[in-house]
Amino acid sequence: SQKIEQNSEALNIQEGKTATLTCNYTNYSPAYLQWYRQDPGRGPVFLLLIRENEKEKRKERLKVTFDTTLKQSLFHITASQPADSATYLCALSGGSYIPTFGRGTSLIVHP
Amino acid sequence: EADIYQTPRYLVIGTGKKITLECSQTMGHDKMYWYQQDPGMELHLIHYSYGVNSTEKGDLSSESTVSRIRTEHFPLTLESARPSHTSQYLCASGATGGRGTDTQYFGPGTRLTVL
Repeated sequence: SQKIEQNSEALNIQEGKTATLTCNYTNYSPAYLQWYRQDPGRGPVFLLLIRENEKEKRKERLKVTFDTTLKQSLFHITASQPADSATYLCALSGGSYIPTFGRGTSLIVHP
Repeated sequence: EADIYQTPRYLVIGTGKKITLECSQTMGHDKMYWYQQDPGMELHLIHYSYGVNSTEKGDLSSESTVSRIRTEHFPLTLESARPSHTSQYLCASGATGGRGTDTQYFGPGTRLTVL
């Protein structure tokens, strides 16, 4: 069955460092992948989308990579700030284009 | 910030009650979705709609029903609430981007507790 894996353990980093979150998937051939941010008690907010034929996408301090051979996406936040603390979800879309969401990884940035 | 609204934000009700969770968007999106999410868990798709008078069930079996009479409105109804329905319900609308991509804009959610 299709499976999306994100690290269930929270990632703790110091302010100013680069945070790197991982999304692995199996039994899936996604047309594209998205990253969302979710704050407690709120709905997810779209951050970035990367297509299967793209290796890397950037937006301000955010960078996403997509390796369809490794079946993995990496999400980087450079110069992290305490305000970046949240849960980050990856979502994969195949033929139907309706995203399937991972469980998310909690990021905690310490001042 | 996306213009998608959900009411109520919090709801505590007794078993057996009928409830309707409201969702409205002002972005003119054709696609709308309902998700269920428990704390620390994935979002599970329970219903979606690709336009007026179009509704489909999602991956997660649900005893709820939806309707789509107007583009901007996508209410979800539980005919008889049970404690197992206790969860966070998230509504989203979808913008179709280049080459059929589907980016979703979420509302703030309704936290439902059934006693």
